[in-house]
Amino acid sequence: GNSVTQMEGPVTLSEEAFLTINCTYTATGYPSLFWYVQYPGEGLQLLLKATKADDKGSNKGFEATYRKETTSFHLEKGSVQVSDSAVYFCALKGSSNTGKLIFGQGTTLQVKP
Amino acid sequence: NAGVTQTPKFQVLKTGQSMTLQCAQDMNHEYMSWYRQDPGMGLRLIHYSVGAGITDQGEVPNGYNVSRSTTEDFPLRLLSAAPSQTSVYFCASSYSYGQVMNTGELFFGEGSRLTVL
Repeated sequence: GNSVTQMEGPVTLSEEAFLTINCTYTATGYPSLFWYVQYPGEGLQLLLKATKADDKGSNKGFEATYRKETTSFHLEKGSVQVSDSAVYFCALKGSSNTGKLIFGQGTTLQVKP
Repeated sequence: NAGVTQTPKFQVLKTGQSMTLQCAQDMNHEYMSWYRQDPGMGLRLIHYSVGAGITDQGEVPNGYNVSRSTTEDFPLRLLSAAPSQTSVYFCASSYSYGQVMNTGELFFGEGSRLTVL
């Protein structure tokens, strides 16, 4: 079945450091890939997405490229801020017509000033 | 815009009690779902619905019931609460494949924190 694996957290960085959070997936067909972010005490909200191979999703300085050859969708940001501290979830939507998303286990990012 | 509204935000139950978590959305989304979030486990799908009158099981459906009598509402029922159901529950909705506005994005409520003693 479809699955998503994220790197273990927590990740602790200093402000302005470079961020990478690894995400790999297993899926049949042509899934869509997402990154969601959860700020403390809130629900999840969409950060970025990519719907086909080689697509790059971007938002708020974050980027991720859909790599079918390595089944990966790693999240990157060139210079993190304290306000980026949150839990980040990689997710996959299969090629079926339902809206079901399968989530990774989440990676906690803490950015220190 | 209200978006996805969940109630209650916090609830404490005793083992064996029953309760219903409410979820309502005002975006005309055909797809609605319930997830539970546990430390180190990410989000796991409990039940989902692709439209009024249609529901199906997700990854962890045992101990939970759902129904979908209207497009707007998708309540989650715990029939006999157990300590293993202590968790944070999220309702989420989206347009379905056949809806013109579909972008694949899932919209989440703020969560309901449930403790079962």
